[in-house]
Amino acid sequence: EIVLTQSPGTLSLSPGERATLSCRASQSVSSSFLAWYQQKPGQAPRLLIYGASSRASGIPDRVSGSGSGTDFTLTISRLEPEDFAVYYCQFYGGIPKTFGQGTKVEIK
Amino acid sequence: EVQLVESGGGLVQPGGSLRLSCVASGFTFSTYWMSWVRQTPGKGLEWVANIKEDGSEKYYAESVKGRFTISRDNAKDALYLQMNSLRAEDTAVFYCARGGSWYFDWGQGTLVTVSS
Repeated sequence: EIVLTQSPGTLSLSPGERATLSCRASQSVSSSFLAWYQQKPGQAPRLLIYGASSRASGIPDRVSGSGSGTDFTLTISRLEPEDFAVYYCQFYGGIPKTFGQGTKVEIK
Repeated sequence: EVQLVESGGGLVQPGGSLRLSCVASGFTFSTYWMSWVRQTPGKGLEWVANIKEDGSEKYYAESVKGRFTISRDNAKDALYLQMNSLRAEDTAVFYCARGGSWYFDWGQGTLVTVSS
């Protein structure tokens, strides 16, 4: 089973700042099988990125994903008020599909 | 607009059963893998099961294998999760999701509470 470890647990930033979120896999994985989701309180997760770097429909280009091997990154270039939420990475290259524990991006 | 509407959650005693349903609209249901994912405050997001477009392939998390059964009715655009022998640790919000790898869309979730 691939274990995903996200860091930091909480990121305190101001609107307009750059957010860099990390997701580390317990073993090397194909970048084709890494996704990112955003979740706001009381809502279901929303797909942001799949295939490590492909934006889902309707996701603005200030959101980007990168990485390979064991290290993956979600970057939000300029935080907007609606970006403050919890972010999860997911590996879907096998069974079981696994999620990281999440990174909360909060307003500083 | 894609919509996934779950129902069937509630309070059930340990050892009991529950059947979750998810009705889909806004896309051609029969052409997508579908999945169930659950979320707890303690364990976060956990994939539960998924099912191929025609129902011919089904996969389960080890934690639910032998107790849960995923199924679908493409004529009704519906996905189901039959949950038997429920345990306290199954308490979670259960989400229906479109896709078998990454999840394009999610329902609003239905809360399952297993407690005596």
